[in-house]
Amino acid sequence: AQRVTQPEKLLSVFKGAPVELKCNYSYSGSPELFWYVQYSRQRLQLLLRHISRESIKGFTADLNKGETSFHLKKPFAQEEDSAMYYCALSRGGSNYKLTFGKGTLLTVNP
Amino acid sequence: GAVVSQHPSRVICKSGTSVKIECRSLDFQATTMFWYRQFPKQSLMLMATSNEGSKATYEQGVEKDKFLINHASLTLSTLTVTSAHPEDSSFYICSAPLTSGSKEQYFGPGTRLTVT
Repeated sequence: AQRVTQPEKLLSVFKGAPVELKCNYSYSGSPELFWYVQYSRQRLQLLLRHISRESIKGFTADLNKGETSFHLKKPFAQEEDSAMYYCALSRGGSNYKLTFGKGTLLTVNP
Repeated sequence: GAVVSQHPSRVICKSGTSVKIECRSLDFQATTMFWYRQFPKQSLMLMATSNEGSKATYEQGVEKDKFLINHASLTLSTLTVTSAHPEDSSFYICSAPLTSGSKEQYFGPGTRLTVT
């Protein structure tokens, strides 16, 4: 079975500092990885997915199959980045199901 | 962007009663919808996949007779918690992919169920 691990429950950085939210996964096949974000009092929304390889709101994430990781990075954190971040895995192919990590609460201090 | 709504946003019911939660795709059709449960300060746990016109697919450990799912139309899926108990109290969230084959899911705002 697949598993997604986000080792940090809480992460606190200062504005302008780099931020990295860690995500590791275990799955024997070729997964698709996603980062979802939940801002305060809002619903969960997609931040980015590894297939599109795009940068959203300054965030990037690279799938490292050797290390089975999909860490989320941003060079200069902003206060509005404060939110709950979830890493999620789909088994690929026609399977839509998402397996979520436990999430990391990012706080960006002024 | 695509919008998924849930109703009610919050419900309190007595132990032993049943409660229905609706999930609607407002501006797109969804042949598949997903129901998740989220415990306080924990992750989302997939409960079941709701399929329009056919039976839902439940994840291991989820009681299908307790959590009844009906996907009656391309824009509506309902989750009925039957004979609710206090341990069923939780945050229930639904999601739907925008198009068939899309891995990007749009989430509803969630429903807070409290069973007294």
